[in-house]
Amino acid sequence: NAGVTQTPKFQVLKTGQSMTLQCAQDMNHEYMSWYRQDPGMGLRLIHYSVGAGITDQGEVPNGYNVSRSTTEDFPLRLLSAAPSQTSVYFCASTLSGPPVYEQYFGPGTRLTVT
Amino acid sequence: ILNVEQSPQSLHVQEGDSTNFTCSFPSSNFYALHWYRWETAKSPEALFVMTLNGDEKKKGRISATLNTKEGYSYLYIKGSQPEDSATYLCALVNTGTASKLTFGTGTRLQVTL
Repeated sequence: NAGVTQTPKFQVLKTGQSMTLQCAQDMNHEYMSWYRQDPGMGLRLIHYSVGAGITDQGEVPNGYNVSRSTTEDFPLRLLSAAPSQTSVYFCASTLSGPPVYEQYFGPGTRLTVT
Repeated sequence: ILNVEQSPQSLHVQEGDSTNFTCSFPSSNFYALHWYRWETAKSPEALFVMTLNGDEKKKGRISATLNTKEGYSYLYIKGSQPEDSATYLCALVNTGTASKLTFGTGTRLQVTL
C-alpha cells in the first residue's frame, strides 16, 4: 500500500492564482481530511469528508473548496490564492468517522503564495 | 472552537531521562483523544487513540494515561533517547463536534546526549 499520497510536494503561486492540491489513499478509508500547519498554531482542520459524496467544513474553511467523488481521492482547491494561505498542507485519512481510529497523514504540500 | 492545550511548549532533556507532558481539554462531551509523534520534515504518526476514562496505553518506552472526568492526558517517555526528539501532538474528538479532530499546538521534545 502507498498509504496517503499528496502532490505536489512544493508549490509557489502568485496572489489570485488558483490550484488544486491532490490527495489520494489506497486503504479504503472512509474518512479523509485536510489540515494546514502554521508556526505556533498547530494543525487546523480545513475540510473533511466522512465518505464519498459527503464533505463538511472544519475550523478554517474560507478560501478552500473540496469534493469527494470517490473513496480514494480528496482534492483541495484554492480558489484565489492569498499570502495568508502560505502554509504546509496535510491530508489525512482514517478508517471511518467519527475519527476514533488513528489517522494516517500524507507527506505534506508546502505552499508559498507571493 | 474547542480549547486543547499542551504543556510544556518545549522540553529539553538528557539521554536517559524520563519525561512527561500534558494535554488538557474540556471534559464535557468527550469522545476520544489521540496522541501523535511528529518528527521534523516528516508527517505526524499515530501513537495512541484513547476513549475510556482511566485508559492506559503503552508502546515500547512511551505510555499515555487518560482522565476524561478532569480533562487531561499524560504522555510519558521512559529513558529518553535522541530518536525520541520530535513534537508530540494530542488531538480531541468531542461529541459536540463529532467527526472533527481538534489538535493542540504540541510539545516539542529535544533529547541530547
